[in-house]
Amino acid sequence: QVQLVQSGSELKKPGASVKVSCKASGYIFISYAMNWVRQAPGQGLEWMGWINTNTGNPTYARGFTGRFVFSLDTSVSTTYLQIRDLKADDTAVYYCARVGGGPRGYGMDVWGQGSTVTVSS
Amino acid sequence: QSALTQPRSVSGSPGQSVTISCTGTSSDVGGFNYVSWYQQHPGKAPKLMIYDVSERPSGVPDRFSGSKSGNTASLTISGLQAEDEADYYCCSYAGSYTWVFGGGTKLTVL
Repeated sequence: QVQLVQSGSELKKPGASVKVSCKASGYIFISYAMNWVRQAPGQGLEWMGWINTNTGNPTYARGFTGRFVFSLDTSVSTTYLQIRDLKADDTAVYYCARVGGGPRGYGMDVWGQGSTVTVSS
Repeated sequence: QSALTQPRSVSGSPGQSVTISCTGTSSDVGGFNYVSWYQQHPGKAPKLMIYDVSERPSGVPDRFSGSKSGNTASLTISGLQAEDEADYYCCSYAGSYTWVFGGGTKLTVL
């Protein structure tokens, strides 16, 4: 079945880096773009950006430039979110979600289960 | 981009209808027919309920419907059921390959 499986919870110290993975299965990986969405504790959803799985070209939302990096490895149908120089405010659940576009529509129709990143000294 | 504006909370009794609004600008909601709605239960990942303003993915009950007028999109849930109690988020394309979410609405089924 179509699914996105994300890596597990991470506990990091301020200033460290973290890399979250999102492995796709059950569909043609490069046929769908991948979005990243952040949800801080008790807060709403925040769009971080997306990566074109055909070209590897990322687009970042305002507020997610510089320390945030999207990447992918098409050989294993996996996209990655790396966050550098972690801050306490980065504590959140991070979701990956695919979008088909065109006739398939512009909704995020499949979501990963979420990866919790906790930043604490 | 600024977050789209949603009411913090709405409520309704079982069997009633509720409508959740999502207000943006001509640069997002009003400029494109790419508004989607997501349902999120506590501790769970969001679930797509409506895409492209009014399209329903397979498996989503037809009690859920979407519409748009000007810069405001709406999600209507008719025949409210207990399991509809959740947080709901709208999302709109905002141009230049960017997207923006609303702040979220907590739906309480009385």
